[in-house]
Amino acid sequence: QQPVQSPQAVILREGEDAVINCSSSKALYSVHWYRQKHGEAPVFLMILLKGGEQKGHEKISASFNEKKQQSSLYLTASQLSYSGTYFCGTAGNKLTFGGGTRVLVKP
Amino acid sequence: DSGVTQTPKHLITATGQRVTLRCSPRSGDLSVYWYQQSLDQGLQFLIQYYNGEERAKGNILERFSAQQFPDLHSELNLSSLELGDSALYFCASSAGRLAGGLSYEQYFGPGTRLTVT
Repeated sequence: QQPVQSPQAVILREGEDAVINCSSSKALYSVHWYRQKHGEAPVFLMILLKGGEQKGHEKISASFNEKKQQSSLYLTASQLSYSGTYFCGTAGNKLTFGGGTRVLVKP
Repeated sequence: DSGVTQTPKHLITATGQRVTLRCSPRSGDLSVYWYQQSLDQGLQFLIQYYNGEERAKGNILERFSAQQFPDLHSELNLSSLELGDSALYFCASSAGRLAGGLSYEQYFGPGTRLTVT
């Protein structure tokens, strides 16, 4: 079952904040976040594990609510380089990606 | 540069044909994953190999097959191609054995853009 991401798209001005949500109907072991710029390969951002452990970039923050089977990615003080499509991936025996959230940061 | 290489970068072929996409994982990574991304769509997991063995299968069509060789490179074979197979095919690698059972990040190659005419 594919996780559901919201919103589908968001437009920000530089310096603004945004939250991207990822929900699953299945119990999650971990949640992965990736960012893909147009025409490029997805790039790893963060993994959130049950129990609260996180692995990823220091400037990206995220949360993982195991009971609600939800994760949120926080884009704080957004920069132009944050533009791209963000995918969450939920992990069971394979990584299943959500449909993506398009983020556009304008000057 | 993720360290994952894919060839060819672009491939244009006709319906009914067969093609082979090649992937070399990052040095030391034993897991290889294949994904399909259609235009403006998300990433669809196809198949995973770990150290030469198939570990997980996704929505991979019977016309598609893959293998991982002793030197750990992997090939994705697509046969009886249809117009709907046109997509970007990504290979990714990770150090872990399972995508979820062990939480290792995946490193994606640049992709092969397949166009079926």
